[in-house]
Amino acid sequence: GQNIDQPTEMTATEGAIVQINCTYQTSGFNGLFWYQQHAGEAPTFLSYNVLDGLEEKGRFSSFLSRSKGYSYLLLKELQMKDSASYLCAVRDSNYQLIWGAGTKLIIKP
Amino acid sequence: DAGVTQSPTHLIKTRGQQVTLRCSPKSGHDTVSWYQQALGQGPQFIFQYYEEEERQRGNFPDRFSGHQFPNYSSELNVNALLLGDSALYLCASSWATGRSGEQYFGPGTRLTVT
Repeated sequence: GQNIDQPTEMTATEGAIVQINCTYQTSGFNGLFWYQQHAGEAPTFLSYNVLDGLEEKGRFSSFLSRSKGYSYLLLKELQMKDSASYLCAVRDSNYQLIWGAGTKLIIKP
Repeated sequence: DAGVTQSPTHLIKTRGQQVTLRCSPKSGHDTVSWYQQALGQGPQFIFQYYEEEERQRGNFPDRFSGHQFPNYSSELNVNALLLGDSALYLCASSWATGRSGEQYFGPGTRLTVT
């Protein structure tokens, strides 16, 4: 079966750095996405990785290792508004998005 | 530039009833995907429409059906509602030929089945 694993919840301090991991087992691989979802709102696109390595976009970076079935989202200089759920999604061989359950990130002052 | 819109925002239905949810994609997008998201879970893929046809389907029963119109807007229909159908229903649009195929989500429709 297809599976995406992420930690359920993480806590970090304002101004710090946090890394959210995602491991996946899917039927094929055609890219990995990270989305942010605030409570009661729709997911918003953060990043896309299809090749191994690090993609940096401002305070957010995302890393991919296809051989290990592993990705992480790195958030720097955490702000209170970063409190949200972070969803990892993999596009499989059928170009269908398989989603993880999300990681709830709690930022403390 | 209007983003993805969905209607209604909230809906309360009774078991056994039928419901229709609507979605208008982001301007320029031609592909619409529908997801069901239970509380505390990630979205579950229902189906995707492109060129007015269902292109892909997730593991949802035939009670879930859809349609895409020539203007790319879409509807999700659910028949014979069950209590377990209570969830947030998200519509996402994208370009079929976009580099990454990143999806833009609407605000969702919160369906409650009693």
